Amino acid sequence: EAEVAQSPRYKITEKSQAVAFWCDPISGHATLYWYRQILGQGPELLVQFQDESVVDDSQLPKDRFSAERLKGVDSTLKIQPAELGDSAMYLCASSLIGQSSYEQYFGPGTRLTVT
Amino acid sequence: KNEVEQSPQNLTAQEGEFITINCSYSVGISALHWLQQHPGGGIVSLFMLSSGKKKHGRLIATINIQEKHSSLHITASHPRDSAVYICAVRSRGAQKLVFGQGTRLTINP
Repeated sequence: EAEVAQSPRYKITEKSQAVAFWCDPISGHATLYWYRQILGQGPELLVQFQDESVVDDSQLPKDRFSAERLKGVDSTLKIQPAELGDSAMYLCASSLIGQSSYEQYFGPGTRLTVT
Repeated sequence: KNEVEQSPQNLTAQEGEFITINCSYSVGISALHWLQQHPGGGIVSLFMLSSGKKKHGRLIATINIQEKHSSLHITASHPRDSAVYICAVRSRGAQKLVFGQGTRLTINP
């Protein structure tokens, strides 16, 4: 069964360092989402791509976070410099198309700890 | 006030009990999702619904659009049902999902 792949699964970094996460969506899924989930809370959308274009990055802290999906397939989320408050689970999801009738499929997530 | 509120936040029950988790939302929606998150983080979609009721195995999801309320029921609960259950809604005209804070369910043998 096709799955959303993410790496790494766990990352520990010191504050002020740069960190990057990778996501490979299910083949054929045009829409890709990056979410941040702080412990004890629900996920919060950081950025949504439709193919290679950003559809929504209104909640992305653009002074330190960046995301790209250059060929419209896999995607990278970067944080530079990392801060203590960035410690969270970073989830990637994909769907056939970003409309209400289409289900989102989630990857296993990357748990980031900033020390 | 959050757009999506879940109750209870934590729920502990004995194996075999009937479980109900509630979700209330404040906006007009085009769809509501129920998701399951196991320790370790992976999220699995359980249901997507916009009206009525859906059933899958021991899980039942209902939604009342007029009252802006949905419930997730688990019949004959089992320790493997222990997880965080998350409600998420898509507002009418919007593409993104807004998530509740989750309900942590623990089923004891």
